Amino acid sequence: EVQLVESGGGLVQPGRSLKLSCAASGFTFSNYYMAWVRQAPKKGLEWVATISTSGSRTYYPDSVKGRFTISRDNAKSSLYLQMNSLKSEDTATYYCARHPRVPFDYWGQGVMVTVSS
Amino acid sequence: DIQMTQSPSSLSASLGDRVTITCRASQDIGNYLTWFQQKPGKSPRRMIYGATNLEDGVPSRFSGSRSGSDYSLTISSLESEDVADYHCLQSIQYPHTFGAGTKLELK
Repeated sequence: EVQLVESGGGLVQPGRSLKLSCAASGFTFSNYYMAWVRQAPKKGLEWVATISTSGSRTYYPDSVKGRFTISRDNAKSSLYLQMNSLKSEDTATYYCARHPRVPFDYWGQGVMVTVSS
Repeated sequence: DIQMTQSPSSLSASLGDRVTITCRASQDIGNYLTWFQQKPGKSPRRMIYGATNLEDGVPSRFSGSRSGSDYSLTISSLESEDVADYHCLQSIQYPHTFGAGTKLELK
């Protein structure tokens, strides 16, 4: 059974940093692109980042480019999202998702990030 | 960037009604269109991919279609368990973009 479990969320002040983690199991992690998708309170979904199987290629929307960094450790079947220079508009539930050719077939339960002073 | 215009933003329907939600793409996305269902407090679930293909386990009352740049998700006969938010996604190019979502409620 595919499982994706996020951790690392919480309350953080504007301008500070936070790192999210996603532990994957139930599939060969190194064979799949992976992604982060977020959802602000009472809002729609927003794709945040994608990483290739080896980690050599990463993709971001303009809204987070230069502030967020996606990475992975295939030996640990883990995905990460380093978030720097956080803004209030980054407040959201962050989901880890598997990203095959047709995204996103499996999702984690989500982790809440609140950016507030 | 490709814009996905989803309508309606909310919809109230009765049990047994036929319901249609539409996404219009601002550029050609071929059939790179996916529909997700998200029940309250839950993670999204992929329902339809490639514009028209149902995921395994999705009830046959759900269907997807395309007419030009308009993509539709239709529920042929609404059931109570279908109450949820629905989201479309284009994945032909980065940045992948979602529609704004449709909130489906029971009348």
